[in-house]
Amino acid sequence: EAQVTQNPRYLITVTGKKLTVTCSQNMNHEYMSWYRQDPGLGLRQIYYSMNVEVTDKGDVPEGYKVSRKEKRNFPLILESPSPNQTSLYFCASSFLRGGFFSYNEQFFGPGTRLTVL
Amino acid sequence: QQPVQSPQAVILREGEDAVINCSSSKALYSVHWYRQKHGEAPVFLMILLKGGEQKGHEKISASFNEKKQQSSLYLTASQLSYSGTYFCGTEIEGAQKLVFGQGTRLTINP
Repeated sequence: EAQVTQNPRYLITVTGKKLTVTCSQNMNHEYMSWYRQDPGLGLRQIYYSMNVEVTDKGDVPEGYKVSRKEKRNFPLILESPSPNQTSLYFCASSFLRGGFFSYNEQFFGPGTRLTVL
Repeated sequence: QQPVQSPQAVILREGEDAVINCSSSKALYSVHWYRQKHGEAPVFLMILLKGGEQKGHEKISASFNEKKQQSSLYLTASQLSYSGTYFCGTEIEGAQKLVFGQGTRLTINP
């Protein structure tokens, strides 16, 4: 089954304790992205990747890191989480038809609900 | 710059029509529409590219007015299954990323 998986689905942690949220897709998509969703603010992009070893900042990258060492995986790293990073996080992936992002739907993972105390 | 969606919320009875608008202050190359049901991931509805085309998806269609940098999503003869939060995602030419609006919550009552 074609899907985007995220782990963990729920996480409660404390300020400053490094954590990683994994994201994996089995559709051979070039493009992968991380979003956070907060009430009233919609989905805001954290980082995105056009291909292996190619990553770029989205609109809210502060406090996050990513890496893209393999095409299927795009982990999100919080080196020193803070309470303002409490949020619902979504990973998404899509093809890049002809190298363009515009023409392709994004497939979203099920989400990771993170609480930082 | 985050696009602005209107209305923020709408309540309808089954069978009624709805229009959700998405406006940007920047020149857009494409507009993507997604629907998210409570507790679930967003699901793709359609993409509209610069050129003012209109697209349809069952009883859900959309238009893109590139002169006004606006897109509208039309839901006709709404069904209970249409309930959820609708997001537009806008792409500026060459940006290779989407900026989503704050969402419009649609509630369909029997």
